[in-house]
Amino acid sequence: DARVTQTPRHKVTEMGQEVTMRCQPILGHNTVFWYRQTMMQGLELLAYFRNRAPLDDSGMPKDRFSAEMPDATLATLKIQPSEPRDSAVYFCASGLVLGGLAGAWSGANVLTFGAGSRLTVL
Amino acid sequence: GQQLNQSPQSMFIQEGEDVSMNCTSSSIFNTWLWYKQDPGEGPVLLIALYKAGELTSNGRLTAQFGITRKDSFLNISASIPSDVGIYFCAGPNAGNNRKLIWGLGTSLAVNP
Repeated sequence: DARVTQTPRHKVTEMGQEVTMRCQPILGHNTVFWYRQTMMQGLELLAYFRNRAPLDDSGMPKDRFSAEMPDATLATLKIQPSEPRDSAVYFCASGLVLGGLAGAWSGANVLTFGAGSRLTVL
Repeated sequence: GQQLNQSPQSMFIQEGEDVSMNCTSSSIFNTWLWYKQDPGEGPVLLIALYKAGELTSNGRLTAQFGITRKDSFLNISASIPSDVGIYFCAGPNAGNNRKLIWGLGTSLAVNP
């Protein structure tokens, strides 16, 4: 089965350190999403890319977070400097999303999630 | 903004029992998605619903798209230990169809 690969699976770091999380989307998928999951907030969308171009990063704290997609096989989420409140599980998901922003969802618009990167900032 | 409310928040049941959970909103949704998250993994799509009134099954799972388009239900029949996990409902944001709104999940525990 095709899968979304995320690294690292677990990261413990100290406040102020830089953290980079990586994601390899499924080959052929044109859209990549970054989510953050916490007990209190649930799944929050941080940013998403379509055909490697950032379409929306309004869910991301801009002062410390950055998301890039240097090529079709790699998406990165960077936090610099990290803070204890950034502790969460970060998920990458990819999908083959057809049509424009107002297009109807179809069976093709299915997101496949990676296993997540659990970040602990001390 | 749009929100999805899931209930119950958590359930503890005996193996073999049937399970029912729901997802409601004050807004209309045109698509309802049900995902399951196993411990330590990402969410996996179980069932997608695209039409009001639609009833769709996936093995022991059955989901319905409410006729008002403001709710959806997921039922699991004859639960087994591997049904343990968190079940999420999700639907496309009205303003940007590519962004999903997520419920906070229903956590299911099954006693063997």
